Formats: sequence, structure tokens, C-alpha cells
Amino acid sequence: EAQVTQNPRYLITVTGKKLTVTCSQNMNHEYMSWYRQDPGLGLRQIYYSMNVEVTDKGDVPEGYKVSRKEKRNFPLILESPSPNQTSLYFCASSFIPSGANVLTFGAGSRLTVL
Amino acid sequence: AQSVTQLGSHVSVSEGALVLLRCNYSSSVPPYLFWYVQYPNQGLQLLLKYTSAATLVKGINGFEAEFKKSETSFHLTKPSAHMSDAAEYFCAVSVDTGFQKLVFGTGTRLLVSP
Repeated sequence: EAQVTQNPRYLITVTGKKLTVTCSQNMNHEYMSWYRQDPGLGLRQIYYSMNVEVTDKGDVPEGYKVSRKEKRNFPLILESPSPNQTSLYFCASSFIPSGANVLTFGAGSRLTVL
Repeated sequence: AQSVTQLGSHVSVSEGALVLLRCNYSSSVPPYLFWYVQYPNQGLQLLLKYTSAATLVKGINGFEAEFKKSETSFHLTKPSAHMSDAAEYFCAVSVDTGFQKLVFGTGTRLLVSP
């Protein structure tokens, strides 16, 4: 089944404790992206990647890191999480990026930072 | 830069009633427009998209949307609401910039009462 898999789905952590949210897709997509969803703000892009070793900042990259060492994986790293990073995170992917492409989304990872 | 505005964070309808979710966009170049739906505890999935082939776009589950350039609108409609339509709906806009820059609206939660 074609899908984007995120782990963990739910996580509660404390301020300053490094964590990684993994994202993997099995569709051979070149493009991958991370979004965060907050009430009243919709989805905002954190980082995106157009291919292996090619990443760039989205609209809200502060406090996050990403890497793209393999085509299928695009982990989101929070080096020192803070409470304002409590959010619902989505990973998404698509083929060669163009404006008309449809994103395939993961099921989401709900992160709480205490 | 492109943007979308969704009017109404919550819309309530009775089962069997018309569903109308409003979306207005802003773009300096021809846009691609999308409606995504998010069911509880799930990721986003595509409902329909406009890519300039036809102004009236039909999607899954009986939804459709009409692109109106003069009004810069892309409202989502369904003639008769079903309980299973209760979800959050996101309008999104993209343009051809060589990569997938999808900008989401803030979302509208559809509530369907019996």
C-alpha cells in the first residue's frame, strides 16, 4: 500500500530533551515536506526537500532541523524542544514537484512539550 | 505570494442540507487550487483539485467546487450533507514555481447534526 508513515504518533516530552519524528514513504517520491497544524492557523510548512541532500526552509523553520540522506526518509529533529512546539505534525510527499501535484500525507504525530 | 482565506472556522448543517464552505484565494499568476479533508485522527486527503482544465471540479463523496476567477473564489459544495461528512476541510493554493509550495487556509470544521 502506498503510504507515508510517521512515528511516533503521540509523544509527550519535556523542554530541552532532543527528539526525532521519523517519516518514511514507499512511493519513490522526490519531494517531501513537514507541516505543523495549530488551531486557527491551519497548516504551516516547516521544511521541505526536493530530493536527496536537498532541503530548504519553509515558513516556520525555527527550532527544527531536517535531513534527507535517503530518498524515502525525511526525519524532523527538535534539538531542544520548547512548549511552543507543542503541535500536530504532518509529513507529506509527492512526485517531481510542480504546482499541480497532490501531496500524500502521513497520519500525523501529536507532540506535547511540557 | 499566494494565499487563501476560508470564511468561517465552523459551519453547522443538518443532515440532508446543502453544504457550502467558502474559500477565496489570492495569486498573481494562474493558481492551482485544492480542497483537502481531514477526518478525526487522520491525515489530510485530497477531495478535489482545480488545474485549469474545467472550472467546475467534481471530487470524491459528492463534493464539487467551482473556480470563479472574477470573484477569486473556489467554494466547496455538496447538495446533501451526510453524517460522515463531519470533518475539517482545508482549501489550499499552489502555483508553478518549480517546486510544490502549497499554502493552506486556516480550515473549516463541518458539523453535521441529525
